[in-house]
Amino acid sequence: AQSVAQPEDQVNVAEGNPLTVKCTYSVSGNPYLFWYVQYPNRGLQFLLKYITGDNLVKGSYGFEAEFNKSQTSFHLKKPSALVSDSALYFCAVRVKAAGNKLTFGGGTRVLVKP
Amino acid sequence: EPEVTQTPSHQVTQMGQEVILRCVPISNHLYFYWYRQILGQKVEFLVSFYNNEISEKSEIFDDQFSVERPDGSNFTLKIRSTKLEDSAMYFCASSDQGTHNQPQHFGDGTRLSIL
Repeated sequence: AQSVAQPEDQVNVAEGNPLTVKCTYSVSGNPYLFWYVQYPNRGLQFLLKYITGDNLVKGSYGFEAEFNKSQTSFHLKKPSALVSDSALYFCAVRVKAAGNKLTFGGGTRVLVKP
Repeated sequence: EPEVTQTPSHQVTQMGQEVILRCVPISNHLYFYWYRQILGQKVEFLVSFYNNEISEKSEIFDDQFSVERPDGSNFTLKIRSTKLEDSAMYFCASSDQGTHNQPQHFGDGTRLSIL
């Protein structure tokens, strides 16, 4: 069975500082990894994905994520956080042998303080 | 940018009643999904749908649940006899392909409250 862990319920960071949201996964087979963001009263908005190739992937709004196969991690990063980045972030995984379903982590709330 | 739209945004229903949640996927998408999120818990997969049939479903998706694409634009989730534990946020999603590198695009959700 596949699973995703986001070890931090909340991350607090000052505006302008680097932001990291952690994600680790457990799958049988090659993972396809995704990050989504959820703003209040909105749905899940796709940020970026890792399928294959370069371990560092870039996405929307200046976010990037680094795939690390040996550590089974896919941490989300932003070099300089904005107050508007405050939201709920979800990591998700799909595995080819397991169909199309996404398996989500529990989410991490990011609070960027001015 | 095209969006997945869901109606209603909030549905309040008496236990035992039937409820239908509606979704309009992105127009050129062919794969449709329902997920739910019980308050304080993870987003969970319910069902995927392609070519007018269910392609995959989870253990949660039991006989009280059904999905339908009644016309060329809508995708619905029906819960036949609601239970208190069905209270959750229900998200519809769609993707243009079933390949695993395509992201699923989500609607804003329907908050279902069972009384």
